[in-house]
Amino acid sequence: AQSVAQPEDQVNVAEGNPLTVKCTYSVSGNPYLFWYVQYPNRGLQFLLKYITGDNLVKGSYGFEAEFNKSQTSFHLKKPSALVSDSALYFCAVRDMWSGNTPLVFGKGTRLSVIA
Amino acid sequence: NAGVTQTPKFRVLKTGQSMTLLCAQDMNHEYMYWYRQDPGMGLRLIHYSVGEGTTAKGEVPDGYNVSRLKKQNFLLGLESAAPSQTSVYFCASSSGTDSYEQYFGPGTRLTVT
Repeated sequence: AQSVAQPEDQVNVAEGNPLTVKCTYSVSGNPYLFWYVQYPNRGLQFLLKYITGDNLVKGSYGFEAEFNKSQTSFHLKKPSALVSDSALYFCAVRDMWSGNTPLVFGKGTRLSVIA
Repeated sequence: NAGVTQTPKFRVLKTGQSMTLLCAQDMNHEYMYWYRQDPGMGLRLIHYSVGEGTTAKGEVPDGYNVSRLKKQNFLLGLESAAPSQTSVYFCASSSGTDSYEQYFGPGTRLTVT
């Protein structure tokens, strides 16, 4: 079975400070990992993904995420937060060998960047 | 490219009424999905389709039906709406190859009174 956990419902950070949004996963085999962002009254937008290769993945809007196999984590990071980064962030996973099964999403973490 | 579109954007139903939500994609994607989003619950998969003419149940299928008669369209039906189905509904699609990255529509806000 596949699952993903986002342990924080809410993360608050001051503008200009680094931010981290946490994600841990569980799959039987090797994971495909994703981060999506949702702005108010909008659909989810793709930020970045890990498929294979370099453990540090760079994505849109200056975000990056680090794949850590031993800790089964895929935390989202940004060196300097902007007020405009305030949004709902979702982590998602699927097992590379899971056939046709869809992505499994976490419950989301609301990021609030304070000026 | 319009990507994934959903109609309608908003709808209010009375308990017991029926309606159909339409999702359309112009990316020639094989896979399509319907999710509902509720506060504190994240995204929950209702039904999905891995190709034209196929459908499968997701995590919360009860009270919903779907059809995929054309590759580009995925319809979500509520036969007898209940207040518990008040939610925001999102459609998504993916190519079904490579990494299975999903592309989302803008959502439909449904209120059942």
